[in-house]
Amino acid sequence: KAGVTQTPRYLIKTRGQQVTLSCSPISGHRSVSWYQQTPGQGLQFLFEYFSETQRNKGNFPGRFSGRQFSNSRSEMNVSTLELGDSALYLCASSEAGTSGPNEQFFGPGTRLTVL
Amino acid sequence: GQQLNQSPQSMFIQEGEDVSMNCTSSSIFNTWLWYKQEPGEGPVLLIALYKAGELTSNGRLTAQFGITRKDSFLNISASIPSDVGIYFCAGRGTDKLIFGTGTRLQVFP
Repeated sequence: KAGVTQTPRYLIKTRGQQVTLSCSPISGHRSVSWYQQTPGQGLQFLFEYFSETQRNKGNFPGRFSGRQFSNSRSEMNVSTLELGDSALYLCASSEAGTSGPNEQFFGPGTRLTVL
Repeated sequence: GQQLNQSPQSMFIQEGEDVSMNCTSSSIFNTWLWYKQEPGEGPVLLIALYKAGELTSNGRLTAQFGITRKDSFLNISASIPSDVGIYFCAGRGTDKLIFGTGTRLQVFP
């Protein structure tokens, strides 16, 4: 089975712009979670989608949003980018949401740099 | 954001030594996961634990789900240079996965 894929791998944007990141989960996995990783804050949970519905949400401003499609692929969007949004954005997929196997498998991440 | 207490923060050891790291939480968890992350890559799942007291091995790695359900331990035996990386614990109660602050491991030949 192919692993979790994320595109693009690297992205450079300027303040005020918006960005969309994409994640394709492992085939058969219906849950997709997004995380922000920075040296200072570590791995922070953004949100989780299961069967096209947002199931959980972390403590991030409304500029961060996401969605999931019927084929389980997910996108996250960040609007009005700030310098502090520079981070590695990781997507993880699992078979189920809050019930069932909880093992999450991560993609390689998208490195976003905001100038 | 919420993070689990993971210790030690970093370790510098000689090849062949054993390594121990742990993770503690103020909340009870139903699942503990251990991941390893190498530079430029996403975390890779090493071990999953689902039951209090459970002890699970994956090669030279052994992890335990604490009896109180508030902690977990990871041991690496006979370390080798390719064990270098950052190790994260992650715990899950009823909803989202919460990650530890990470243990950076350096192995010297």
